[in-house]
Amino acid sequence: GQNIDQPTEMTATEGAIVQINCTYQTSGFNGLFWYQQHAGEAPTFLSYNVLDGLEEKGRFSSFLTRSIGYRYLLLKELQMKDSASYLCAVLDSNYQLIWGAGTKLIIKP
Amino acid sequence: GAVVSQHPSWVICKSGTSVKIECRSLDFQATTMFWYRQFPKQSLMLMATSNEGSKATYEQGVEKDKFLINHASLTLSTLTVTSAHPEDSSFYICSAPPEVSVTEQFFGPGTRLTVL
Repeated sequence: GQNIDQPTEMTATEGAIVQINCTYQTSGFNGLFWYQQHAGEAPTFLSYNVLDGLEEKGRFSSFLTRSIGYRYLLLKELQMKDSASYLCAVLDSNYQLIWGAGTKLIIKP
Repeated sequence: GAVVSQHPSWVICKSGTSVKIECRSLDFQATTMFWYRQFPKQSLMLMATSNEGSKATYEQGVEKDKFLINHASLTLSTLTVTSAHPEDSSFYICSAPPEVSVTEQFFGPGTRLTVL
């Protein structure tokens, strides 16, 4: 079966750096996404990776290694507004999104 | 980025009634739209894929007679929860990939359904 693994919950301090890992086993691969979801709201797009490497967008960076199905989302200079759930998703061979359960990130002052 | 709207944003109804949720792509055409359901503290669960001009494709375990999907135009898909029951209370979210890209999906703001 298809599976996405990411930690259920993480806690970090305002101003610090946090890395949220995601591993996957899927039928085929057409890219990986990170979405941010605040409580009671719909997910918003953060990043998309299809090639190995690091992509940086401001305070957020996403890294992918396809050979071992490993990727992470790196958040720098954490702000209180970054408290949210971060969803990892893989686009499989049928172009269907397979979703992880999400990582709830708690930021403390 | 592309904009997807949903209406209503929240609804409360009595058990046994039907509720219609609309999903619109505002500035792009979407031959395909996806309907998700999300229970508290859980991830998104794909319910069905809505295809313009043809029947929707439902995921395993989703009753197509209970969750009616109509995709009548390139910018509108509707989900009707028929004979709603309290266990149908959930957060319903639609998403759509723009025609020029299959690799990105834009989500509607979601509809919070509470069935009493």
